[in-house]
Amino acid sequence: GAVVSQHPSRVICKSGTSVKIECRSLDFQATTMFWYRQFPKQSLMLMATSNEGSKATYEQGVEKDKFLINHASLTLSTLTVTSAHPEDSSFYICSASRLGNEQYFGPGTRLTVT
Amino acid sequence: KQEVTQIPAALSVPEGENLVLNCSFTDSAIYNLQWFRQDPGKGLTSLLLIQSSQREQTSGRLNASLDKSSGRSTLYIAASQPGDSATYLCAVTRGTGNQFYFGTGTSLTVIP
Repeated sequence: GAVVSQHPSRVICKSGTSVKIECRSLDFQATTMFWYRQFPKQSLMLMATSNEGSKATYEQGVEKDKFLINHASLTLSTLTVTSAHPEDSSFYICSASRLGNEQYFGPGTRLTVT
Repeated sequence: KQEVTQIPAALSVPEGENLVLNCSFTDSAIYNLQWFRQDPGKGLTSLLLIQSSQREQTSGRLNASLDKSSGRSTLYIAASQPGDSATYLCAVTRGTGNQFYFGTGTSLTVIP
């Protein structure tokens, strides 16, 4: 099956700094990538949808200036958490799909903001 | 907006028991429904995918059913094992290029 990777798997950063998370489709070209967030003991909630070469579409309540998403190529999307705060600590999971095909999920990135 | 609910939220069973996890969704206009397993601190492992035109899918000791009109799905696990302990999530989507709506999850513990 298709493989999606995320890097890093875990990251700890200080409050006020920015951190970038990468999502890569390793063996297919992803026309659409999704970013989800999972708080402890809660389910996954969609943050934004990104299509290659266009601006991301953010879900209600997700600040686009805080969570910067770039989908510059068909195999890479990045999520940058700017001016991170402790409440941004969460598990971030991306998924990728190619046109007309299923979605494949990455292994997730655990972000801890101290 | 699609809402997905899973019952029970937590389940503890002795090893060897058969069990059923329930999932319900409010909007029946789905493309497919997928069951995932999530181990603590880990990502998602896809277990079974049911297309909207299908009624069930089986893989090993797992069987998932779908009743699209009533907005329900069940995941049946036969002869449970301690290694089955995890959180099980169901999710629905309206199309291959569309987001998943995830359920609230069922935390399963199988006691040796």
